Amino acid sequence: ILNVEQSPQSLHVQEGDSTNFTCSFPSSNFYALHWYRWETAKSPEALFVMTLNGDEKKKGRISATLNTKEGYSYLYIKGSQPEDSATYLCAFNAGNNRKLIWGLGTSLAVNP
Amino acid sequence: DGGITQSPKYLFRKEGQNVTLSCEQNLNHDAMYWYRQDPGQGLRLIYYSQIVNDFQKGDIAEGYSVSREKKESFPLTVTSAQKNPTAFYLCASSLIRWGQNTEAFFGQGTRLTVV
Repeated sequence: ILNVEQSPQSLHVQEGDSTNFTCSFPSSNFYALHWYRWETAKSPEALFVMTLNGDEKKKGRISATLNTKEGYSYLYIKGSQPEDSATYLCAFNAGNNRKLIWGLGTSLAVNP
Repeated sequence: DGGITQSPKYLFRKEGQNVTLSCEQNLNHDAMYWYRQDPGQGLRLIYYSQIVNDFQKGDIAEGYSVSREKKESFPLTVTSAQKNPTAFYLCASSLIRWGQNTEAFFGQGTRLTVV
């Protein structure tokens, strides 16, 4: 059974703090790893789709790294702002049937 | 604005009734998906469609049905056979089915409550 785990489950930080969280996935049969941000009362929104071992992607203050050999990805937020408050979901694409397998998410609250 | 629209946002259904959730996209995407979210669980795939007039069961298809008569539309029917229909339902689309580097676009969801 393919499993995607995210940690921590929730996180409270102060405005200006930098933070990071982890997505762990099966290291075999890797195809792609997705990160999404889901703000309350809005639709989930894609942040990154990562495919190559060692990939690093950046969007503003948010960046992500990928290690397919050991099966993890880190999402970093530099200088958190209250508008970063959201649930961050990762999803793993296996090479066989390619369905997205979703983690439970990390809920981030940034206090002003 | 291009996007994906789900309606209604909230839906109440009496036990034993079928109900249809709407999902429309104007992104010209070939692939569309229905997910269900329950507390303490990740998104679970109900049905997906790669192209018009084609759809496939996902991991939890029992008690649900779909149609894909138009590229833009992928309605989901929750039938009376679905034992635990109360949940949050999300519709998504992507340019092609789970292509590498293909992100999914999501609607805002429909919260279905069976009373």
